[in-house]
Amino acid sequence: QKEVEQNSGPLSVPEGAIASLNCTYSDRGSQSFFWYRQYSGKSPELIMSIYSNGDKEDGRFTAQLNKASQYVSLLIRDSQPSDSATYLCAVLAGGYALNFGKGTSLLVTP
Amino acid sequence: EAGVTQFPSHSVIEKGQTVTLRCDPISGHDNLYWYRRVMGKEIKFLLHFVKESKQDESGMPNNRFLAERTGGTYSTLKVQPAELEDSGVYFCASSSRHDQPQHFGDGTRLSIL
Repeated sequence: QKEVEQNSGPLSVPEGAIASLNCTYSDRGSQSFFWYRQYSGKSPELIMSIYSNGDKEDGRFTAQLNKASQYVSLLIRDSQPSDSATYLCAVLAGGYALNFGKGTSLLVTP
Repeated sequence: EAGVTQFPSHSVIEKGQTVTLRCDPISGHDNLYWYRRVMGKEIKFLLHFVKESKQDESGMPNNRFLAERTGGTYSTLKVQPAELEDSGVYFCASSSRHDQPQHFGDGTRLSIL
C-alpha cells in the first residue's frame, strides 16, 4: 500500500509568518514529488515539483526533499490571506498514478 | 493556453441511472488521467490514457465504470448504473509526458441520490 501522509490541520499562521507543511511517504521507490494548492471547489493547482534531495525555491515557496527520511515539505514565506487553501502532497512512484495525501488546510489570519 | 476543462461541473442523478462525464485535456497533451475523491478520503487514481490507448486502469472500481478516449483527444467516463458509493468529485488531469507534472481540471461533483 503506497501511502502519503499529511497532517489535516487546520494550520493557522498570522499574515507575514512562515507556513510549514509536511508530508511523509511510504514507497522508497518514489521519484517525483509535487505540491498542489486547492481552493474550495476548484482544481488542484500545481505550485511546486521536486525530484532530488535538497531545497528548491520558487518565489515565496520552498520545497524540501529528504529521500532517506521519506519526507517532503513546503515552506511558504510571508504568508498572505490569499494563501489560505488546502495543500496536497502528491508522489509519483515510478508509474503514472499520483498518490495523494488527504491535504493540509492552511489558514492565514490578517 | 486553455487548461483542462471538465463538463458538467455538477451532476445529480438517481441510483440506477447513467451519467457521462467529459474531459478536454490541455491541447497537445497525450497523457490523460482520471482521479476521484470521495468524501473524507484522498484523491485516488482511476486510469491513465496515452493518446487513445488505456495504459493503466488498475484504479477503476468495477465494471460499471467505462472510460474512452476516441481519437486521442477528449475523454469520457461513464458510470452505468450509478450506485450511492459513486458519489464524489471526479478529476481529470493531463500531462505532456507521463513523468511531467499533471495539470488538473476543476472536477465534476457527482451526487447519487
